[in-house]
Amino acid sequence: GAVVSQHPSRVICKSGTSVKIECRSLDFQATTMFWYRQFPKQSLMLMATSNEGSKATYEQGVEKDKFLINHASLTLSTLTVTSAHPEDSSFYICSAYFRGTDTQYFGPGTRLTVL
Amino acid sequence: AQSVSQHNHHVILSEAASLELGCNYSYGGTVNLFWYVQYPGQHLQLLLKYFSGDPLVKGIKGFEAEFIKSKFSFNLRKPSVQWSDTAEYFCAVNTNAGKSTFGDGTTLTVKP
Repeated sequence: GAVVSQHPSRVICKSGTSVKIECRSLDFQATTMFWYRQFPKQSLMLMATSNEGSKATYEQGVEKDKFLINHASLTLSTLTVTSAHPEDSSFYICSAYFRGTDTQYFGPGTRLTVL
Repeated sequence: AQSVSQHNHHVILSEAASLELGCNYSYGGTVNLFWYVQYPGQHLQLLLKYFSGDPLVKGIKGFEAEFIKSKFSFNLRKPSVQWSDTAEYFCAVNTNAGKSTFGDGTTLTVKP
């Protein structure tokens, strides 16, 4: 399957700081990427759809000013958690969508811990 | 809005036992269906998918799933599980340009 990378894999930050997570599609150009959040022992919750060259589409209840998404190129989407708080601690996963097969390829995730 | 329900939250089996994980979805239109696996400490991997055609689809590692349209179901099966199948399994439905709705997941523990 296609390879999607995320960086960093793990980050610890202080409350009030901002953290940027990168998601790269290494095998194909992805016009659409998705960002998920996964709590322990729970399913993936879709946060937003990231579209290259346009604004991201956020799911209901997700604060767009807190979770800034930038899809600057066909292979890179970034998620910035602004003014992070302990409740933002979670596992963030991105995926790159390949329209030809209607399949998402997932990154390995980023573990964010806010102290 | 579509939803996905996985009936079994935690399944414990001995090696060589047969496995069936339930998945039901609610959506009236055409859907694409997926099963993903997440091994401990690893990222989600696609096990198998159904778009159209033969409702019995075969995936990797000996897994298969059957789409029953009348029951809105897409159950995952494996005739004989191995200890290495211990993982979290997620059923998902695509309805709109790749946007997926995931079930809550099923934790499978296989005892050696």
